[in-house]
Order: sequence, then C-alpha cells, then structure tokens
Amino acid sequence: NAGVTQTPKFRILKIGQSMTLQCTQDMNHNYMYWYRQDPGMGLKLIYYSVGAGITDKGEVPNGYNVSRSTTEDFPLRLELAAPSQTSVYFCASSWGDVTEAFFGQGTRLTVV
Amino acid sequence: KNEVEQSPQNLTAQEGEFITINCSYSVGISALHWLQQHPGGGIVSLFMLSSGKKKHGRLIATINIQEKHSSLHITASHPRDSAVYICAVYPQGGSEKLVFGKGTKLTVNP
Repeated sequence: NAGVTQTPKFRILKIGQSMTLQCTQDMNHNYMYWYRQDPGMGLKLIYYSVGAGITDKGEVPNGYNVSRSTTEDFPLRLELAAPSQTSVYFCASSWGDVTEAFFGQGTRLTVV
Repeated sequence: KNEVEQSPQNLTAQEGEFITINCSYSVGISALHWLQQHPGGGIVSLFMLSSGKKKHGRLIATINIQEKHSSLHITASHPRDSAVYICAVYPQGGSEKLVFGKGTKLTVNP
C-alpha cells in the first residue's frame, strides 16, 4: 500500500516558469490537500478538495491552481513561478472531515 | 498570535531520557493530531485524539480539552527519535481544516 505519493521530490525552477506537482493516493480517500511549509512556520493550506470535481481555496492560494478529475489524483499547478514560492510542498489525504490525515514525502521547490 | 503554540521550540536530550513536548491551543477543537517529520523526509501521523490518552510503543499522547492542552511523551528516548514533532488541531465550527503549530525540533544524543 503506497499511501500518498508525490513527485518530484526536488525541483529548481526559473522565475516565470511553470510546473505541476503531482500527488496520488491509493486509499480511496475523499479529501485531499496541498500545504506549503516555510522555515520556522506551521504548514499552510493552499487548496483542498472534498471529492472528484470539487476544489476550494485554502489560506494561501495565490499563484497556484488545482484540479481533481479523479479520486486518486490532485495535481498542483504553478503557472508563473516566483521566488516567494520557494518552499516545501506536502500533499495529504483523509477519508473525511476530522479524520486522520496521511501525508506524502514532500517536494522541495526552489525558484531562482 | 498563532492558534496553536508548541513548547519548547527546540529540545536536546540524552539517550534514555523521558521527553515531554507541549501543545496549547486557543480555540475549541474537534480533534488533535501529533505528527512526526524526519530531516529531509515526509510527515507521518503518530496520533489523532479528542480525549484522554493514547499509547503506541514508547510514545504517549494526552489531551485535556478543558485546559486546551496536549502533551506528547517519549519514554526511553533514542537517537532515532530525533525529528520535528508537529501538533495540529481541527477547530470546531469553522472550516474543519487542520491548523498547525510550528513544530518542536527534538535532538537525542547517544
């Protein structure tokens, strides 16, 4: 059972480039989340989804987009990378509200 | 002010010591998560609790809902316990999404 899988693990982007962070889960969870983790700060919610076809903004959505076409996949898109998006990104999933969350291994993104 | 405060921020211990990490929160909650993050690694769920106490191996988590406080204890600490421990809460009545503390960095020396 793989759990939550994120790719890539590391990426360096130039300012203005675009990329997609991939996230897939094999636990048939309804809820999926994207967080960013900055040094010395708690994780911040970027976007979340409560099921296929449904997405909503979190605390820090600017500069990002998501889609949820299947239960398993929840990709995060950066359209015009900026240095402020340098961070570690975590994808997570849970069965429903107020249930145990399972996290991926993280993606370390540097924008130069 | 962060809704979730952890103390201490950094903790260094000798192998075998009993460790306590504290988490205080300012809002009513539905449940609380303790998570572990190893250097360069992902985040692993340790416990999710809404009352009382849970134990798994050498790890014990307690919560006092009235005092808005939770503790994570590690008995007989080992260098492999070195990690960042993160407390997160599900606030009641709001978006029901996790709110995270900044984490406690634990280093256990041999």
